Amino acid sequence: DTAVSQTPKYLVTQMGNDKSIKCEQNLGHDTMYWYKQDSKKFLKIMFSYNNKELIINETVPNRFSPKSPDKAHLNLHINSLELGDSAVYFCASSPAGFDTEAFFGQGTRLTVV
Amino acid sequence: DQQVKQNSPSLSVQEGRISILNCDYTNSMFDYFLWYKKYPAEGPTFLISISSIKDKNEDGRFTVFLNKSAKHLSLHIVPSQPGDSAVYFCAASFGTASKLTFGTGTRLQVTL
Repeated sequence: DTAVSQTPKYLVTQMGNDKSIKCEQNLGHDTMYWYKQDSKKFLKIMFSYNNKELIINETVPNRFSPKSPDKAHLNLHINSLELGDSAVYFCASSPAGFDTEAFFGQGTRLTVV
Repeated sequence: DQQVKQNSPSLSVQEGRISILNCDYTNSMFDYFLWYKKYPAEGPTFLISISSIKDKNEDGRFTVFLNKSAKHLSLHIVPSQPGDSAVYFCAASFGTASKLTFGTGTRLQVTL
């Protein structure tokens, strides 16, 4: 039983395309996140949603748009993909806020060619 | 501006010995610290945490030490086991509903 699952696991696409990464958690958590791990291994938060409401939006290009249809899902849409978007994207969830331990998905490796 | 730093990208330790992973932070407002463990092709998993009101927290083979004056924390694993081989991320936050700021990770290899 996967607690936080994201699909796809790997995604290879051409520059300029639009793609989505899906995330679902079955833990009943209120808060979900998207993190990006870049080539330098920095793991940085991109967005956070609490009960479908956006609570954190770091400095991320407008091409990235999270969508939360319900509190168990937080999908990430990326428009007009660029080479620099290549990274591993992790979805995570936690019961409340950030000072509780977050549960991460297995990651989606996005490669833009 | 890297507020959480793990200056050792890798560490190799023999099975049975102690592994010590270090983490430094620059923001004195951080008041909660966590360690995550990550295996290849998997997401990070929570390992252990410590609040700034404590200087030590122990959970089985894992102990985290916090030195607030030095803005330094360390994770001790005793005894180290081959299954501990993974990348370990240090993370910090301040206040509630505060984002986690991660270090870049230290790859631990436990050899037989």
